[in-house]
Amino acid sequence: DGGITQSPKYLFRKEGQNVTLSCEQNLNHDAMYWYRQDPGQGLRLIYYSQIVNDFQKGDIAEGYSVSREKKESFPLTVTSAQKNPTAFYLCASSALYNAREETQYFGPGTRLLVL
Amino acid sequence: RKEVEQDPGPFNVPEGATVAFNCTYSNSASQSFFWYRQDCRKEPKLLMSVYSSGNEDGRFTAQLNRASQYISLLIRDSKLSDSATYLCVVNMGDQTGANNLFFGTGTRLTVIP
Repeated sequence: DGGITQSPKYLFRKEGQNVTLSCEQNLNHDAMYWYRQDPGQGLRLIYYSQIVNDFQKGDIAEGYSVSREKKESFPLTVTSAQKNPTAFYLCASSALYNAREETQYFGPGTRLLVL
Repeated sequence: RKEVEQDPGPFNVPEGATVAFNCTYSNSASQSFFWYRQDCRKEPKLLMSVYSSGNEDGRFTAQLNRASQYISLLIRDSKLSDSATYLCVVNMGDQTGANNLFFGTGTRLTVIP
């Protein structure tokens, strides 16, 4: 089964703690993305990556970091600098074979809560 | 002005009704358009793609009006299971590169028995 997996489904963070959210895809997609969704609001782009070892900041990158060491994997770290991390985090990927027609496919999400 | 705008709703309709959502976009050069469905506490899932004037899939019809820069989603014979938030998504990209998608904030639909 091809798809995007995210883990864990729920994650609890203590004050001052860094936590890492996992995102893996076996769709052979070039690009991967991280979004944040707050209750009743739209998606906001945190980071994206078009190719291994390269990534770009999105609209709300402060307090977050990413890596792209493998095509299949794009983990997101929520650092202690992110003061309001409670949200639903969605990872997505896209093929980039035709950028003008590309769309994105989403993983099931990770819900992060601060203790 | 936001790149993609939707009426947030909520739309509350009885079972069997026909309901339509509109979405406007800012970039007249946009080539492709999508409707996603998002259930409560779940991820968005692709519902329909629109590359020309429109697309139809069963009870769902998406129409594109390039002159007025809007797309619409029509749902006929609404079912209880259609209750969800519907996201309008527009690809405003160039030939290459990622991060071409712009998401609306969604329109919430509740189908009432």
